[in-house]
Amino acid sequence: EPEVTQTPSHQVTQMGQEVILRCVPISNHLYFYWYRQILGQKVEFLVSFYNNEISEKSEIFDDQFSVERPDGSNFTLKIRSTKLEDSAMYFCASSLWGVRTTDTQYFGPGTRLTVL
Amino acid sequence: GQQLNQSPQSMFIQEGEDVSMNCTSSSIFNTWLWYKQDPGEGPVLLIALYKAGELTSNGRLTAQFGITRKDSFLNISASIPSDVGIYFCAGPTGNTPLVFGKGTRLSVIA
Repeated sequence: EPEVTQTPSHQVTQMGQEVILRCVPISNHLYFYWYRQILGQKVEFLVSFYNNEISEKSEIFDDQFSVERPDGSNFTLKIRSTKLEDSAMYFCASSLWGVRTTDTQYFGPGTRLTVL
Repeated sequence: GQQLNQSPQSMFIQEGEDVSMNCTSSSIFNTWLWYKQDPGEGPVLLIALYKAGELTSNGRLTAQFGITRKDSFLNISASIPSDVGIYFCAGPTGNTPLVFGKGTRLSVIA
């Protein structure tokens, strides 16, 4: 069964450093998403992406964050200058059509980001 | 924004027992989703509900979309050790593809 993959599984970085989290969505899906989950808390939406553009973003997704689809398979989340509070699990998800009410989002296993 | 409130926050049950958890909101949702998250993994969709009053089963899991569209419940029958995990309700809103509840953490004692 096709699945969303993410690398690395765990990233440790120093405060102020840039990190890039990578995702390979399911191959025929058109909509891509990033979510984050701070330890012990709920999953929160960051950004959605379609047709090489950001579709929607939350308040969390400020100027320190950016997303890119650098080639036909990868989808990346970049944090320019990491802060301690960026420590969290980051989940990538993809869906076929992006229809809110009926389309299913499939989640990857996540990247645990630890900022020291 | 729209929020989802889940209860209970956590539960400890004996293997073989039935489990019930629910999710409520102060605003209407047109789709209710139930996800399970195993430790160190991403959420996996268990059941999707699209119509008010809908009752849907997936093996030992049953979920219902409340008729007011402001609540949903998830039941697990005859629990087994692999049911351990965090169960999230979720739904799309006008400005967020998915908003999640805080989850119900289920522990099963063999």
